[in-house]
Amino acid sequence: SAVISQKPSRDICQRGTSLTIQCQVDSQVTMMFWYRQQPGQSLTLIATANQGSEATYESGFVIDKFPISRPNLTFSTLTVSNMSPEDSSIYLCSVQKLAESTDTQYFGPGTRLTVL
Amino acid sequence: GEDVEQSLFLSVREGDSSVINCTYTDSSSTYLYWYKQEPGAGLQLLTYIFSNMDMKQDQRLTVLLNKKDKHLSLRIADTQTGDSAIYFCAERFGDDKIIFGKGTRLHILP
Repeated sequence: SAVISQKPSRDICQRGTSLTIQCQVDSQVTMMFWYRQQPGQSLTLIATANQGSEATYESGFVIDKFPISRPNLTFSTLTVSNMSPEDSSIYLCSVQKLAESTDTQYFGPGTRLTVL
Repeated sequence: GEDVEQSLFLSVREGDSSVINCTYTDSSSTYLYWYKQEPGAGLQLLTYIFSNMDMKQDQRLTVLLNKKDKHLSLRIADTQTGDSAIYFCAERFGDDKIIFGKGTRLHILP
């Protein structure tokens, strides 16, 4: 398994500001992902964080709005830029470990963001 | 396109069995998962099944997969109060794409 921590666990932000969410894993992982979980909705993949290169974004998500960094195999950040109330959501970091035969993804505890 | 559907709520009496159902549209999946999300916590992998299997049992959990009907179920035997959570069905495609259902909120009645 993998132990994943996220900071902050929750935040309340003003419209127009930006928030950077950190994700730390206790071991090296091949893949790191960022998901959004809006109230009453399923999880939506924002992007795949690639180590040493630009993230791969899903349809509907762009780098200017959600810049992502992944400087090494155990750490990634997601920034929610120029926030609006529509960005209020839970943001989850997810990882897939090296040599995991089940292709299992593990999830962090999430960051609950409220934008006023 | 790919879609995963679940009922949103289920109420079960403590000690009874819970059965959470999931249907999906794309038959090219490789793995199917059940995740549990307790209040204020992240998603916890409960169990998974390969797409070429039809059943998997793990202690109180039984997963049934009907590929013909594209139907996945999770049975929790002897449901306890600690089982109260949201359960997400998820389907994996290829190397890194997972589609999640909206989750079923399991409520345990005393």
